[in-house]
Amino acid sequence: EVQLLESGGGLVQPGGSLRLSCAASGFTFSNYVMNWVRQAPGKGLAWDSAISPGGANTYYADSVKGRFTISRDNSKNTLYLQMNSLRFEDTAVYYCAKDRSGRGAFDIWGQGTMVTVSS
Amino acid sequence: DTVMTQTPLSLSVTPGQPASISCKSSQSLLDRDGKTYLYWYLQKPGQPPKPLIYEVSNRFSGVPDRFSGSGSGTDFTLKISRVEAEDVGVYYCMQSIQLPRTFGQGTKVEIK
Repeated sequence: EVQLLESGGGLVQPGGSLRLSCAASGFTFSNYVMNWVRQAPGKGLAWDSAISPGGANTYYADSVKGRFTISRDNSKNTLYLQMNSLRFEDTAVYYCAKDRSGRGAFDIWGQGTMVTVSS
Repeated sequence: DTVMTQTPLSLSVTPGQPASISCKSSQSLLDRDGKTYLYWYLQKPGQPPKPLIYEVSNRFSGVPDRFSGSGSGTDFTLKISRVEAEDVGVYYCMQSIQLPRTFGQGTKVEIK
């Protein structure tokens, strides 16, 4: 079964750090662009970051550039998001999503992991 | 950034009746490769988003044929020919002509 499973969310203070993981199974992980998409409570979807299949190229929304780092370990079929200097407004459910085409065809989404930034 | 604007933001539909959602982009989504990078996703209550339509009018595998997408350039429409109870949720359009990927605000569809 094709699946993505996020983990690593939790409660963190402003200015703190957290690392999210997304474990992939059921497909050749190393062939696909992977993404992180967030959803603040009661709000819509917002794309945060993407990484090329080999990991050489990374892309970020301006709101997270310089604070978040996307990476992947293709030997472990796992995607990561290192989140530093967290802000209240980073509170959200974070989804990882597989991009079938490399151009936004997010065909597989994880269940999401909740990150709460609060003092 | 490309701004995506959806209308309406909410829709109440009688089962069996059609529904239509509009999505407008602030710039053309037609790329030099001839493809138009507009997608539709549905987020059912309590679930992650699921893909419906890619490149304006192509259904993802397993999507019922009552869902159809149309449009070009900057104006796009998602139509549900006969709404069923399982279609409730929030529908999002998304562009990928450029980074950052941007989504519309979402259209909440409920059943009357």
